[in-house]
Amino acid sequence: GNSVTQMEGPVTLSEEAFLTINCTYTATGYPSLFWYVQYPGEGLQLLLKATKADDKGSNKGFEATYRKETTSFHLEKGSVQVSDSAVYFCALSRTGGGNKLTFGTGTQLKVEL
Amino acid sequence: GAVVSQHPSWVICKSGTSVKIECRSLDFQATTMFWYRQFPKQSLMLMATSNEGSKATYEQGVEKDKFLINHASLTLSTLTVTSAHPEDSSFYICSARDQLAGGNTGELFFGEGSRLTVL
Repeated sequence: GNSVTQMEGPVTLSEEAFLTINCTYTATGYPSLFWYVQYPGEGLQLLLKATKADDKGSNKGFEATYRKETTSFHLEKGSVQVSDSAVYFCALSRTGGGNKLTFGTGTQLKVEL
Repeated sequence: GAVVSQHPSWVICKSGTSVKIECRSLDFQATTMFWYRQFPKQSLMLMATSNEGSKATYEQGVEKDKFLINHASLTLSTLTVTSAHPEDSSFYICSARDQLAGGNTGELFFGEGSRLTVL
């Protein structure tokens, strides 16, 4: 079946540091890949997505590239801010899945001054 | 983006009682809503797909008589945890798709979650 594996947290960084949160997946067919972010006290929000191999999703300085050869969708940001502190979820939706999402366990990011 | 609201955001109940959680799409119509459950340090687990005007579709291993889902209107789905026990304590999250904006590939919008504690 489908599964998503992401690095355990918490990840603690200083402001302006480079961020990488690893995500790998197992799926049949050609899934769409997503990163969701959950700020404290709020619901999950879509951060970025990619729907086919080699696509790069980007938003708010975050990027992730759909790598089919390595079945990965790592999240990166060149310079994090304190306001980026949140929990980040990698997810996939299989083709024709009607938006049924399979989530990773989430990675908490803490950015300190 | 669109807003999905859950109520209550947290609830404490006694073992054996039933608890209802509401999920509302505030500014769009949602023919389909999804209910997830999240355990500490674990991923969101899809429990069921709620379909407006018809029966919910439950994922394998989810007891439909335990977790009653009703989707009576295009903006409201409810999850009722019946005869709750301590092992039902969890974080329950709903999501909804704006059918008009994106059809079957439209973005999913999530509620803020409801934390249930059963004593």
